Amino acid sequence: DAKTTQPTSMDCAEGRAANLPCNHSTISGNEYVYWYRQIHSQGPQYIIHGLKNNETNEMASLIITEDRKSSTLILPHATLRDTAVYYCIVSYTGGGNKLTFGTGTQLKVEL
Amino acid sequence: DAGVIQSPRHEVTEMGQEVTLRCKPISGHNSLFWYRQTMMRGLELLIYFNNNVPIDDSGMPEDRFSAKMPNASFSTLKIQPSEPRDSAVYFCASRIAEGRQPQHFGDGTRLSIL
Repeated sequence: DAKTTQPTSMDCAEGRAANLPCNHSTISGNEYVYWYRQIHSQGPQYIIHGLKNNETNEMASLIITEDRKSSTLILPHATLRDTAVYYCIVSYTGGGNKLTFGTGTQLKVEL
Repeated sequence: DAGVIQSPRHEVTEMGQEVTLRCKPISGHNSLFWYRQTMMRGLELLIYFNNNVPIDDSGMPEDRFSAKMPNASFSTLKIQPSEPRDSAVYFCASRIAEGRQPQHFGDGTRLSIL
């Protein structure tokens, strides 16, 4: 699976959009980009995933660059409850969708 | 809908004792994963099953660890004998093993070996 690079930490004001970047320059054509988050003491929570088109669901939007070497997770209106570690993971679904978690981005949403 | 259910939520035991962690996947999911999370190593995949069959156990740290899935609705992760370095949070996840379906995680078992 391709390796990902994320900033260690980010801050965001409540009510503002949180934009979390991820670099995955070695991604291959059959690998998807998955985003999970982990709120303290809980299990990782699935957020969204995509291959090459932008995706949106009730939680977030995922913007993938045309060359697929990077992506951005957007939380449109961040709340205090969005404070968590966010993981960007590249995974080949044909290989059982094994997930390799890096260190993620600690997002802190503040008043 | 019920998510992935793990038990116990917390376990404290003395080294040398046998530890059994349990997981009930989401109904209809046919792929199950066991992970371990520590401060030093982060979240690591230990083993995963498809249709109750172990597919990849390359992440199991050593022979003291074993995992079984006797049926589609139950899995166990056993450590025998346990050691202090096994202290961690153990997560179970499940998914529908088709296409790009995501994994869904339980809330984990926090294991402390004294």
